[in-house]
Amino acid sequence: GAGVSQSPSNKVTEKGKDVELRCDPISGHTALYWYRQSLGQGLEFLIYFQGNSAPDKSGLPSDRFSAERTGGSVSTLTIQRTQQEDSAVYLCASSLGPFARGWTDTQYFGPGTRLTVL
Amino acid sequence: KQEVTQIPAALSVPEGENLVLNCSFTDSAIYNLQWFRQDPGKGLTSLLLIQSSQREQTSGRLNASLDKSSGRSTLYIAASQPGDSATYLCAVPSNQAGTALIFGKGTTLSVSS
Repeated sequence: GAGVSQSPSNKVTEKGKDVELRCDPISGHTALYWYRQSLGQGLEFLIYFQGNSAPDKSGLPSDRFSAERTGGSVSTLTIQRTQQEDSAVYLCASSLGPFARGWTDTQYFGPGTRLTVL
Repeated sequence: KQEVTQIPAALSVPEGENLVLNCSFTDSAIYNLQWFRQDPGKGLTSLLLIQSSQREQTSGRLNASLDKSSGRSTLYIAASQPGDSATYLCAVPSNQAGTALIFGKGTTLSVSS
């Protein structure tokens, strides 16, 4: 079946604008994750969804970042009042889940959205 | 706080060589460790997942080992090919959350023909 898809693939925006990034997980995957990959910082965890709930949002860098998931499927990551330091590749992943604390299964990643804030 | 380090940051080898990529982590109480591959401009592809109870996992020319007590994992690539050129990342689950992955910064491998 289809893998994880993300849209748009590239987004250029002006500082101060809001942006929405979309993730379509693999069908049947209950767990969904957002990560950010920037030069010098590597890959950083942002938020984890199990179904429509987000039990772990510890990686969101500020209150300008929010995410939601509806219908246990599509997720949207929203960045308000974008700043230049938000420029990065935003990666989404999904996995079968659910699982007990500390247990993880293989995460399947999408191609990412490259965000550039001018 | 768990930290993951990968050495070397970059590696260039001629085709056919066997090579080892290293990953170390500061908190040995991990549940598993994963190795990923990332091609330029692409997402990550999972290569191998080693559970904490396992010592190694093999897939084709790839072999990953895990030594929890010393906080180390190695990815062995046999008979390297130009198509193996990519960035290789290792990751462990966050002990606190158990679900988020903490990644190393990767080793960028270049295999020349």
